[in-house]
Amino acid sequence: AQTVTQSQPEMSVQEAETVTLSCTYDTSESDYYLFWYKQPPSRQMILVIRQEAYKQQNATENRFSVNFQKAAKSFSLKISDSQLGDAAMYFCAYRGRNTGGFKTIFGAGTRLFVKA
Amino acid sequence: GAGVSQSPSNKVTEKGKDVELRCDPISGHTALYWYRQSLGQGLEFLIYFQGNSAPDKSGLPSDRFSAERTGGSVSTLTIQRTQQEDSAVYLCASTFGSGGVDLTQYFGPGTRLLVL
Repeated sequence: AQTVTQSQPEMSVQEAETVTLSCTYDTSESDYYLFWYKQPPSRQMILVIRQEAYKQQNATENRFSVNFQKAAKSFSLKISDSQLGDAAMYFCAYRGRNTGGFKTIFGAGTRLFVKA
Repeated sequence: GAGVSQSPSNKVTEKGKDVELRCDPISGHTALYWYRQSLGQGLEFLIYFQGNSAPDKSGLPSDRFSAERTGGSVSTLTIQRTQQEDSAVYLCASTFGSGGVDLTQYFGPGTRLLVL
């Protein structure tokens, strides 16, 4: 079974600085998708960025980028120029492409604090 | 609609009572998911609907939990004889399809259930 592990329950960053959130996963599949979701206090889960495993190039969305290391099964999220609005829970998620493809497995989350 | 909506936003009930939680997915989305998020935890998959196919109920924690999706649109999650451990936020998400073009799950704001 697939698992997703976020080893940092909480992280803190100074406004305008850069922070990296860690995520590791375990799977026997070769083709899959990885996601980072943001959940602010409003509870609304918002997709931040996604990565297809067959793509070697790391995904980037404005200030958000990932470091995808397929062999190491690592998928970290880097937030550059952190803003107060980035404060939220961040969830790493995995979805297989072939087997059980509809199920998305979520990590336990990392709470990010942004200090002014 | 513009997004996934859920009702009620908050529900307080007494132990042993039945509750119904509603989810309205984005119009045209064929796949619908229910998740449970306990306090400080990640998302736990409950059930998945895809078009007219039989739903995958493998994530339902007990036979007190059931869900239906009428007309391929609105879904209702029912919890019978609620227990205190059922207290959580119940999130609904929808996607355009079961795989391929767009895997992005669009989440509703959730229903916070408190069982006294």
